[in-house]
Amino acid sequence: DAGVIQSPRHEVTEMGQEVTLRCKPISGHNSLFWYRQTMMRGLELLIYFNNNVPIDDSGMPEDRFSAKMPNASFSTLKIQPSEPRDSAVYFCASSLVDHGNQPQHFGDGTRLSIL
Amino acid sequence: KQEVTQIPAALSVPEGENLVLNCSFTDSAIYNLQWFRQDPGKGLTSLLLIQSSQREQTSGRLNASLDKSSGRSTLYIAASQPGDSATYLCAVPSGGYQKVTFGTGTKLQVIP
Repeated sequence: DAGVIQSPRHEVTEMGQEVTLRCKPISGHNSLFWYRQTMMRGLELLIYFNNNVPIDDSGMPEDRFSAKMPNASFSTLKIQPSEPRDSAVYFCASSLVDHGNQPQHFGDGTRLSIL
Repeated sequence: KQEVTQIPAALSVPEGENLVLNCSFTDSAIYNLQWFRQDPGKGLTSLLLIQSSQREQTSGRLNASLDKSSGRSTLYIAASQPGDSATYLCAVPSGGYQKVTFGTGTKLQVIP
């Protein structure tokens, strides 16, 4: 079975440019999460969706960050304009939420460098 | 606000040793606790998920225990192998069972 697929794997761009990160969750999963990982702050939850609806975006650092999930098989995280401090590894994860607690499955991440 | 601490930050052991990784959390009202493994340049892989009603979970050479009242969990790895070398993170819900807070991780190196 295909896992969570993220693209691109690496992104290098200049400050001020728009960056779009993409995620395809595992088929059948109904929850999707976006995380950011840095050496200084560790792994932080940015936003998560249930059934394509954003539930909690309190981790989104600024208005420069936005996330969408237009359908059950695709999500984007956009940064506009980008800044050097946005450099990090961004992970997408998905899970199946039912009556029990299910583990989250992670993609391999997008390593973002803002020059 | 939930805070999750993992000790030690790094650990180096010879192959074959049994070892224990520690995770502590400040808010004991949790739904579950998860242990993950992260290999360099990769995402996280879920190892074990312990429900709040459980005391431990086992998978192969891994055993995770949970003591909610004291805000602690341990991950026991038996007969460690070089392939176990990775960073291990624990995660607990914070403000809802889906919103998790991760620890900073323990970087494990198993020396052949």
